[in-house]
Amino acid sequence: GQNIDQPTEMTATEGAIVQINCTYQTSGFNGLFWYQQHAGEAPTFLSYNVLDGLEEKGRFSSFLSRSKGYSYLLLKELQMKDSASYLCAVKITNAGKSTFGDGTTLTVKP
Amino acid sequence: DADVTQTPRNRITKTGKRIMLECSQTKGHDRMYWYRQDPGLGLRLIYYSFDVKDINKGEISDGYSVSRQAQAKFSLSLESAIPNQTALYFCATSDSGGNQPQHFGDGTRLSIL
Repeated sequence: GQNIDQPTEMTATEGAIVQINCTYQTSGFNGLFWYQQHAGEAPTFLSYNVLDGLEEKGRFSSFLSRSKGYSYLLLKELQMKDSASYLCAVKITNAGKSTFGDGTTLTVKP
Repeated sequence: DADVTQTPRNRITKTGKRIMLECSQTKGHDRMYWYRQDPGLGLRLIYYSFDVKDINKGEISDGYSVSRQAQAKFSLSLESAIPNQTALYFCATSDSGGNQPQHFGDGTRLSIL
């Protein structure tokens, strides 16, 4: 089976930095996606990693270690609008099917 | 206009009724997916399709069926709805290629009484 673990909830302060971790044990690996989902809304794509290392995109960065089955999403200069759920998804096969973690709900406080 | 459109956005119905949720897209993507999301949980894959003649079961396909009427249209049916199918349903599309993300519709909130 596929197993993807993320913390259920995190809280951070506006202006701070927060790291959301994701560990996975899957039958295959063809890349890892991070999505943001505001309450009651559709998930939207944030980042993609397929090789080890850090991908940076503005305030958001994502890191991958394939040997450790580990990724993290780093959010800098937190803003109130960053309060949302963050979903980690592993692409299992070349064919495009992905398995999602249960998401981490981030609350940003003033 | 939204690239991935789901109808209806909300639906309340009774146990035993047949329900169809529809999804259409203007992105020109070959791949389409149906997910359900329960409170506090991630997305679970119901069915997916990589082209008009291709339909595949996901992790929770029991009690559901799908139809890929055209490249742009992918519908999900509940033949005889039951209360534990109450959930938020998302349709998604993606282009082929390893690094292509999924693009989601706004969701259908389905309640079965």
